[in-house]
Amino acid sequence: AQSVSQHNHHVILSEAASLELGCNYSYGGTVNLFWYVQYPGQHLQLLLKYFSGDPLVKGIKGFEAEFIKSKFSFNLRKPSVQWSDTAEYFCAVNAGVETSYDKVIFGPGTSLSVIP
Amino acid sequence: DTAVSQTPKYLVTQMGNDKSIKCEQNLGHDTMYWYKQDSKKFLKIMFSYNNKELIINETVPNRFSPKSPDKAHLNLHINSLELGDSAVYFCASSQGRRFYEQFFGPGTRLTVL
Repeated sequence: AQSVSQHNHHVILSEAASLELGCNYSYGGTVNLFWYVQYPGQHLQLLLKYFSGDPLVKGIKGFEAEFIKSKFSFNLRKPSVQWSDTAEYFCAVNAGVETSYDKVIFGPGTSLSVIP
Repeated sequence: DTAVSQTPKYLVTQMGNDKSIKCEQNLGHDTMYWYKQDSKKFLKIMFSYNNKELIINETVPNRFSPKSPDKAHLNLHINSLELGDSAVYFCASSQGRRFYEQFFGPGTRLTVL
């Protein structure tokens, strides 16, 4: 069965530190990849997505992610985090690329706390 | 000008009751979804509708019945509520059934006592 794993359950960083959140998926077919963010008390919103082309994807708020097909990974990075980045981060994979509809599978989420 | 809205935001009820959660989107999208987020924040798709047609129906107890009266609305009715149904339920929408960003509602926190 398809699945998405995220390496860290909870990450605590000081402001200006660099961030890398790991994401791996298990699915042998073509995938589309996403990172969503959920700020405290708010709904999920899209940070960035990868469909094809350059495996290094840039998103909003200075985030980027790199798709490494051989490693089935899509890690999220940010060179310098801010207190306002405190949120829950979800990696997601669309495993329905070869079907007629989307089937997005979410990872369990990583909670990021940034200390001022 | 809320894009995806859900009502109610909080729902506290007794075991065995029947309850409904409503979802509306004003984005003009034709595909809508219901997700369940458990206490460990794990988000899992339950249903998806495209143009009022059910296209995804994951392994969900048949106590859960989605209803889509039109493209802008997707409601979730739950019969005979159980303790394990306690979770946050998110509605989402997208344009087209493939490759499009999903826009999420604010969630409905259901607590079954």
